[in-house]
Amino acid sequence: NAGVTQTPKFRVLKTGQSMTLLCAQDMNHEYMYWYRQDPGMGLRLIHYSVGEGTTAKGEVPDGYNVSRLKKQNFLLGLESAAPSQTSVYFCASRLTGWGYEQYFGPGTRLTVT
Amino acid sequence: GQQLNQSPQSMFIQEGEDVSMNCTSSSIFNTWLWYKQDPGEGPVLLIALYKAGELTSNGRLTAQFGITRKDSFLNISASIPSDVGIYFCAGRSTGNQFYFGTGTSLTVIP
Repeated sequence: NAGVTQTPKFRVLKTGQSMTLLCAQDMNHEYMYWYRQDPGMGLRLIHYSVGEGTTAKGEVPDGYNVSRLKKQNFLLGLESAAPSQTSVYFCASRLTGWGYEQYFGPGTRLTVT
Repeated sequence: GQQLNQSPQSMFIQEGEDVSMNCTSSSIFNTWLWYKQDPGEGPVLLIALYKAGELTSNGRLTAQFGITRKDSFLNISASIPSDVGIYFCAGRSTGNQFYFGTGTSLTVIP
């Protein structure tokens, strides 16, 4: 089991460019999450998904879009990157139901210049 | 969003000392979680708490779910160098969203 993997690990974008971050999990988890982590801010939820084909907004969704076409993958898109989106992005997944908690991926460090 | 206040922000301790940190919320939670994050990696779950008043241990770590359901505490006994990292609390009410604290950075001096 690879657990939760994220691609790429690092990326530098220019303002206005677009990109997609990929999260993959091989644990057959229903729920998947995208967070961003900024210094002194903890982790903040961007979007999440409770199952294939469904997505929902989290705390800071503006400027991001997501898709969950397959159960094992959750994609985070930036259509027009801004310097304020410079951050470390973490994906997490978990089983549904009480008592099942999140497993996190290793993160993607994104810099927008 | 809901705010979780975590304190202290950072701690510098001698190896062998005990450590205490806490997290408070403006809202009631049904689940409290404690994570540790090493540099360049994702958070790893240490302890999960599901009931007010619950006290749970994981090796040298002990965490408690506050009676008011608005706070939680983490203690680390007899700290060792590999305890270095950032510790995060997280809480969940009845929905699917988890809210995270701002983290406590722990440095252990050998």
